[in-house]
Amino acid sequence: GAGVSQSPSNKVTEKGKDVELRCDPISGHTALYWYRQSLGQGLEFLIYFQGNSAPDKSGLPSDRFSAERTGGSVSTLTIQRTQQEDSAVYLCASSLAPQIVNEQYFGPGTRLTVT
Amino acid sequence: EDKVVQSPLSLVVHEGDTVTLNCSYEVTNFRSLLWYKQEKKAPTFLFMLTSSGIEKKSGRLSSILDKKELFSILNITATQTGDSAIYLCAVEAGGSQGNLIFGKGTKLSVKP
Repeated sequence: GAGVSQSPSNKVTEKGKDVELRCDPISGHTALYWYRQSLGQGLEFLIYFQGNSAPDKSGLPSDRFSAERTGGSVSTLTIQRTQQEDSAVYLCASSLAPQIVNEQYFGPGTRLTVT
Repeated sequence: EDKVVQSPLSLVVHEGDTVTLNCSYEVTNFRSLLWYKQEKKAPTFLFMLTSSGIEKKSGRLSSILDKKELFSILNITATQTGDSAIYLCAVEAGGSQGNLIFGKGTKLSVKP
């Protein structure tokens, strides 16, 4: 059980379609974070899970974005009716606990391209 | 609004040069500042700084935090081509534990 894994690694979709991005955190990590990195931008926080609950959804850019986490493990980020501005690399990170920020391990990301 | 600003946005140097990357921040309830190296997609952790004036060092890389002036620097001495990457600065602040606010990064290119 290596690091954080994400799938797919690349996704090309047509504008208006829905997409689901998956994150498998490191086993035992209770905290899980989703970030987005648009071209030329820093990482932008989207949502954070502690266990299965999401105490902070403040970064979700619109109501087309939603995320869930089941069993305290796998998380999916869903983007409905995708727009071209949704094109970005979506990164997931996990840590043992929210307080341990310097052990927030990142996955390889999913590159989403909306055409 | 919390923000983290990095400079320069990009930098080209030759092997052997020393570089200094800057990160300034304006946040509420500062907790810590972190530096990451991003070569492909996944950032890898370099340093975490919480106290002013205490240098963290790892090989040719070092970093220091000034909480009074609200900035940090990352130094790389005797640069190598393998140091080419985007260096990200992030600050943990406010009420959301673990929520990191990232700067846009500095893209460092080290030429042979």
